[in-house]
Amino acid sequence: DSGVTQTPKHLITATGQRVTLRCSPRSGDLSVYWYQQSLDQGLQFLIHYYNGEERAKGNILERFSAQQFPDLHSELNLSSLELGDSALYFCASSVELDTQYFGPGTRLTVL
Amino acid sequence: EDQVTQSPEALRLQEGESSSLNCSYTVSGLRGLFWYRQDPGKGPEFLFTLYSAGEEKEKERLKATLTKKESFLHITAPKPEDSATYLCAVRMGGANNLFFGTGTRLTVIP
Repeated sequence: DSGVTQTPKHLITATGQRVTLRCSPRSGDLSVYWYQQSLDQGLQFLIHYYNGEERAKGNILERFSAQQFPDLHSELNLSSLELGDSALYFCASSVELDTQYFGPGTRLTVL
Repeated sequence: EDQVTQSPEALRLQEGESSSLNCSYTVSGLRGLFWYRQDPGKGPEFLFTLYSAGEEKEKERLKATLTKKESFLHITAPKPEDSATYLCAVRMGGANNLFFGTGTRLTVIP
């Protein structure tokens, strides 16, 4: 158990809908990262937050957004969902530049 | 262009048959190379971090090494429970995020 929690574990929804994925980092970690893992693309970095502020963006679509709250939990919002958004979404946390520890992931299925 | 390439894509070993997985990288300003293990449908589990050429880390049957162009994950006398996908990732330049390879899927047959 990495200490990073993610909810929900599974999410099934329809095209065009909007969902919110939640992540709670390990105690004491100020950084939260979001990654997407699909069968054909491997693990891709989406976005990084540090202590409530956005630090870096990767291959994140404009339909996706994230935020980190004062209690350090983070949410990833995915809107206008398409079939191709079906994937595993992982959150990771770290102490600044230290090792990133990953959560169990949320499996999103868009029908 | 920054790249992380893992080989082989898949590897089948008999229990007890030692082997190595390769991660080659062409990145500017390497600031850490990471090895993770991932079981199907689960999150990546941290194994090792290597920072400079010549560095080695060991944990049970696994040993990771780093040169200026590649890293190896050596598996000694593997057991079926070592079956998983092994991911290599790098942190580079001014970024904090990890850039992952596509992994090596290891199967250890009893």
